[in-house]
Amino acid sequence: ETGVTQTPRHLVMGMTNKKSLKCEQHLGHNAMYWYKQSAKKPLELMFVYNFKEQTENNSVPSRFSPECPNSSHLFLHLHTLQPEDSALYLCASSQDLSRGGPPQVSFGSGTRLTVV
Amino acid sequence: AQSVSQHNHHVILSEAASLELGCNYSYGGTVNLFWYVQYPGQHLQLLLKYFSGDPLVKGIKGFEAEFIKSKFSFNLRKPSVQWSDTAEYFCAVNANRDDKIIFGKGTRLHILP
Repeated sequence: ETGVTQTPRHLVMGMTNKKSLKCEQHLGHNAMYWYKQSAKKPLELMFVYNFKEQTENNSVPSRFSPECPNSSHLFLHLHTLQPEDSALYLCASSQDLSRGGPPQVSFGSGTRLTVV
Repeated sequence: AQSVSQHNHHVILSEAASLELGCNYSYGGTVNLFWYVQYPGQHLQLLLKYFSGDPLVKGIKGFEAEFIKSKFSFNLRKPSVQWSDTAEYFCAVNANRDDKIIFGKGTRLHILP
């Protein structure tokens, strides 16, 4: 148990579907992240939110749309995805980034997404 | 831009063998360095970290890593591996005062019983 909960654990969706991934953290953190883990590639940072404000969008295609309604919840809305988007999507959280110093990050277990 | 290189993508060892996983990073300034581990079916978790001070850091489960600044390296070591160490290991770097952690591709470690 890491204090970061992701749902669903597994998701299979067609290319025309719209779905959402959910992440919730119970650690009192103020920064939340989406990472993408594909086979044989580095873990890729997608989005960073600090105090609900998006501070990083790492050139992610618009078919991925993040939403952070509060510091405890983070969503990733998916629409018209491609098969190459199949991957493990990891949510993470850390303390307030504006405090400076290295982020101490806690990860969720991930959502295994398969696009068919 | 920061980058992290892990030399071995897949390592297979027998139990009790010694382990060293290589990690090099590219960044000219002050860095914070991490090793994360992901056991099969589980979440990523922090194995150890280096922020400052003693370049030899000790982590959980008998792992240690040495920061060699002149070589831009942060190799992970364990003197005697166990079957339960089978997992994927990720090296990561964070430039001081920056909010991003950049990960390497990971090394899949398989320990034979």
